[in-house]
Amino acid sequence: GAVVSQHPSWVICKSGTSVKIECRSLDFQATTMFWYRQFPKQSLMLMATSNEGSKATYEQGVEKDKFLINHASLTLSTLTVTSAHPEDSSFYICSASRTEKNTGELFFGEGSRLTVL
Amino acid sequence: AQTVTQSQPEMSVQEAETVTLSCTYDTSESDYYLFWYKQPPSRQMILVIRQEAYKQQNATENRFSVNFQKAAKSFSLKISDSQLGDAAMYFCAYRRNKLVFGAGTILRVKS
Repeated sequence: GAVVSQHPSWVICKSGTSVKIECRSLDFQATTMFWYRQFPKQSLMLMATSNEGSKATYEQGVEKDKFLINHASLTLSTLTVTSAHPEDSSFYICSASRTEKNTGELFFGEGSRLTVL
Repeated sequence: AQTVTQSQPEMSVQEAETVTLSCTYDTSESDYYLFWYKQPPSRQMILVIRQEAYKQQNATENRFSVNFQKAAKSFSLKISDSQLGDAAMYFCAYRRNKLVFGAGTILRVKS
């Protein structure tokens, strides 16, 4: 149980285009999901907290207009990188907190590698 | 803001030996969670062990155990009988509401 699926696993896009990454909790409801960004050999940096039915809360320094987050249901959050540029190339990871039987643990997706040409 | 510090960028251990990874954190809260996550080359985050701050007893999961010192805000991970499959990046993490990660420690296991 507690499986989080992220799609796509990897994506290559041209500079100036937008890319959407989906994060789904497959067997549990997740009121809260988190989006992280990870550069090679570095730690996971929290970008934003996604709450079902409300606006996301962004960390300081994260451009909310560039990284659009939508959490329309209890099992799906999406991250859209708008007008992507090469500096947006990174590994993006989502995680979800179980609404019921919450043990504090977050469950992670497999990650999405974005390459912007 | 909560911070998590891992002071060991890299560690090496001989197969079958024991290694300890260090972690300290800073918080003014009394109720929180602490975690150790493992990230292998696949980059999938794998939970190694979890500790609730209100529990004094140190968590243990098979070959993995922690030394939780709440007053000192220290949370080290001990890996016993190290195996080749333990080689990975290990992250210490703190959670009150958000999950905050340390910088990570690369663990190499020598055969």
